[in-house]
Amino acid sequence: EPEVTQTPSHQVTQMGQEVILRCVPISNHLYFYWYRQILGQKVEFLVSFYNNEISEKSEIFDDQFSVERPDGSNFTLKIRSTKLEDSAMYFCASLGLAKNIQYFGAGTRLSVL
Amino acid sequence: ILNVEQSPQSLHVQEGDSTNFTCSFPSSNFYALHWYRWETAKSPEALFVMTLNGDEKKKGRISATLNTKEGYSYLYIKGSQPEDSATYLCAFGYNQGGKLIFGQGTELSVKP
Repeated sequence: EPEVTQTPSHQVTQMGQEVILRCVPISNHLYFYWYRQILGQKVEFLVSFYNNEISEKSEIFDDQFSVERPDGSNFTLKIRSTKLEDSAMYFCASLGLAKNIQYFGAGTRLSVL
Repeated sequence: ILNVEQSPQSLHVQEGDSTNFTCSFPSSNFYALHWYRWETAKSPEALFVMTLNGDEKKKGRISATLNTKEGYSYLYIKGSQPEDSATYLCAFGYNQGGKLIFGQGTELSVKP
């Protein structure tokens, strides 16, 4: 069965550094999402992306965050200058409208030191 | 503010026990209610998507019901097995293609 893949599985970075989290959504899907879960908290929405542009973003998704779909297969989340509070598990998801199911990757655990 | 709540937060049962969890969500602007099963280090796995009031869905020993008028969904596991141990997440969607709003999850541990 097709799956969403995320790399790396764990990323450790220093505060203030830029990180790029990578995702390969399911190939025929058209909607893409980033969510995150800070330890002990709910999974929270960051941004959705459709037709090569952001369709919705949360208040968390400030100017430090950006998303890109550079080549029609990858979907990336960039954090320009990481903060300690960005430490979380970041999930990518893609949506197949036929089943109205968002399929999730296994996540990237980001640790900001 | 749209809020989704799940209870209990954690549950410890013996193999063979049947169990159920609750998800409460806003009863207005409802589009779909999703249940996911999430094991550590794996992708959250979609169990059910329910859209109609009164929906009941079943997958093996797991079933779910939906009441959109009062804003709740139940997930049932019949005859729990150790491999059912996972976190069960519910998520509310209020439009097609839109974001999901998650509950905090119920962590189930099934002891042999």
